[in-house]
Amino acid sequence: GQNIDQPTEMTATEGAIVQINCTYQTSGFNGLFWYQQHAGEAPTFLSYNVLDGLEEKGRFSSFLSRSKGYSYLLLKELQMKDSASYLCAVNAGNNRKLIWGLGTSLAVNP
Amino acid sequence: GAGVSQSPSNKVTEKGKDVELRCDPISGHTALYWYRQSLGQGLEFLIYFQGNSAPDKSGLPSDRFSAERTGGSVSTLTIQRTQQEDSAVYLCASSLGRQGYSGNTIYFGEGSWLTVV
Repeated sequence: GQNIDQPTEMTATEGAIVQINCTYQTSGFNGLFWYQQHAGEAPTFLSYNVLDGLEEKGRFSSFLSRSKGYSYLLLKELQMKDSASYLCAVNAGNNRKLIWGLGTSLAVNP
Repeated sequence: GAGVSQSPSNKVTEKGKDVELRCDPISGHTALYWYRQSLGQGLEFLIYFQGNSAPDKSGLPSDRFSAERTGGSVSTLTIQRTQQEDSAVYLCASSLGRQGYSGNTIYFGEGSWLTVV
């Protein structure tokens, strides 16, 4: 079967660093996406990884290990506006259908 | 348009009535998706259109749900004889090419919030 696991909730303090993990078991792999979704809003694209390693984009970085079926999203210098749900999605299978995790709800406290 | 546009943004309907939700994708995007998201839940795939190919309808939850895409652009999701469990936000998204192909980013609309009473 196809499965993506993420923690349900996380809390962190403004200015700190937080790491959101995502593990996946899929029949194929053609890349992994991270999306951010604020309450009541649509998801917005954050990052895409298809090769092993770290992709850095400003305060956000995303890491992938294909051999371990593992990715993380790293958020630095947290701001209150980073409070949102973070969705992990894997491009998997012959038809390249995206498999979505349930999301990690991050609360940033002052 | 500049982004994916959906209408209506909010819809309250009586149980048993039919509803139509509209999606206007980003100009030039050949791929269009419909997802459903219930309160506090993850994204549920419904249907995927790619160019002139037959749509992937594998996510439609019942035969009360149908979707069409006219002229390779605007799409309409129709829910017949609505039930209370249909209450959710219906998200449309589009991408430049095939679903998940080589990093094709999916862009979401703001969603149509459906409440069945």
